[in-house]
Amino acid sequence: GAVVSQHPSRVICKSGTSVKIECRSLDFQATTMFWYRQFPKQSLMLMATSNEGSKATYEQGVEKDKFLINHASLTLSTLTVTSAHPEDSSFYICSVRDARRETQYFGPGTRLLVL
Amino acid sequence: QQPVQSPQAVILREGEDAVINCSSSKALYSVHWYRQKHGEAPVFLMILLKGGEQKGHDKISASFNEKKQQSSLYLTASQLSYSGTYFCGTEISNAGNMLTFGGGTRLMVKP
Repeated sequence: GAVVSQHPSRVICKSGTSVKIECRSLDFQATTMFWYRQFPKQSLMLMATSNEGSKATYEQGVEKDKFLINHASLTLSTLTVTSAHPEDSSFYICSVRDARRETQYFGPGTRLLVL
Repeated sequence: QQPVQSPQAVILREGEDAVINCSSSKALYSVHWYRQKHGEAPVFLMILLKGGEQKGHDKISASFNEKKQQSSLYLTASQLSYSGTYFCGTEISNAGNMLTFGGGTRLMVKP
């Protein structure tokens, strides 16, 4: 069964609005979750590391005020794209690390289209 | 630093073999291999941790060289279901747990 869930799977919004994406770890508690972004025909690029109970760690070039991350519990991390613009349209994928198996599992992804 | 994958794309006939390489300029802690179908999230295939390690299941296997700077994914007697984009994800240490992905290799298996 699925290890990681994401919601919504697809969202279309108008430019200037904010969109929240949820990532849930279903099988185990996760103190750390990762958020990736993937543009068409490109690789997965790490945006930020979400840490339960503390601030997220953002990769270089990723605006922390635009991509708000909240890791409120050991099973839930949320990514909010604030004031979305068409160039933010992308496939956003979260992942969770299973420390027991040193394996990283990905959620099903959220396809965001900003008009 | 992003690992380098080669080739970028490969087209096979069903039953043929393929090798996908993933190289790093620095020694790695681990290499993870994933397959992604169009419009879907990547699916974990396997992880390699030890230099000189080889592992696999069914007809998909992978190796990690002794210096831990290169990994290869071997697809033997390819099936139509093997089509997709293959990514290697690498870790330089076991501290951050984050993966850096290669550019991907697009594999198409034709009947």
